[in-house]
Amino acid sequence: GNSVTQMEGPVTLSEEAFLTINCTYTATGYPSLFWYVQYPGEGLQLLLKATKADDKGSNKGFEATYRKETTSFHLEKGSVQVSDSAVYFCALSNNRGSTLGRLYFGRGTQLTVWP
Amino acid sequence: EAQVTQNPRYLITVTGKKLTVTCSQNMNHEYMSWYRQDPGLGLRQIYYSMNVEVTDKGDVPEGYKVSRKEKRNFPLILESPSPNQTSLYFCASSFMGQGSYEQFFGPGTRLTVL
Repeated sequence: GNSVTQMEGPVTLSEEAFLTINCTYTATGYPSLFWYVQYPGEGLQLLLKATKADDKGSNKGFEATYRKETTSFHLEKGSVQVSDSAVYFCALSNNRGSTLGRLYFGRGTQLTVWP
Repeated sequence: EAQVTQNPRYLITVTGKKLTVTCSQNMNHEYMSWYRQDPGLGLRQIYYSMNVEVTDKGDVPEGYKVSRKEKRNFPLILESPSPNQTSLYFCASSFMGQGSYEQFFGPGTRLTVL
């Protein structure tokens, strides 16, 4: 089946620290992979995505590379800011048959950045 | 502006009192979905719809109903709410053409059932 596992939080960092949030997936075929971000009191927003192996998604200084050999899509940022404090969700879509259109989410990782 | 809207944003109700949470999108998306978000459980899909008059159960459909009479609207109905349906609810939509099927989310509805 399709599933996503991401590292448990919460993650607490100082401003300008390096961030990694691990995400691994299980899927048949060739899923698309996503990172969504949820700021306090808001809905989820797409942060970045990758649709095929070795693609790198990037946005707002965040990056993630689609690694088919390790079934991973880890989120990284070189220097976090206080404004990056949010919950981050890894997700996949597997566009085949009965799962067409559906997103499978990890449980989310709470990131808090201190000044 | 392309968006998904939900109403109400906050709702406090009592056990057994029927309620409807509305969801509307202006992007002409075929796919729409409802999720609930609970601490430690992430997002769980309640129902989804691939197009008008086509709906199906997600992972946690018990206690909920949906309808899709128009492409833009996908209301979530709780016929007899119970306290275990206290949660944060999100509606989402996506285009069903070729592509990655990224979903666009509404701002959420925080429901409390007393």
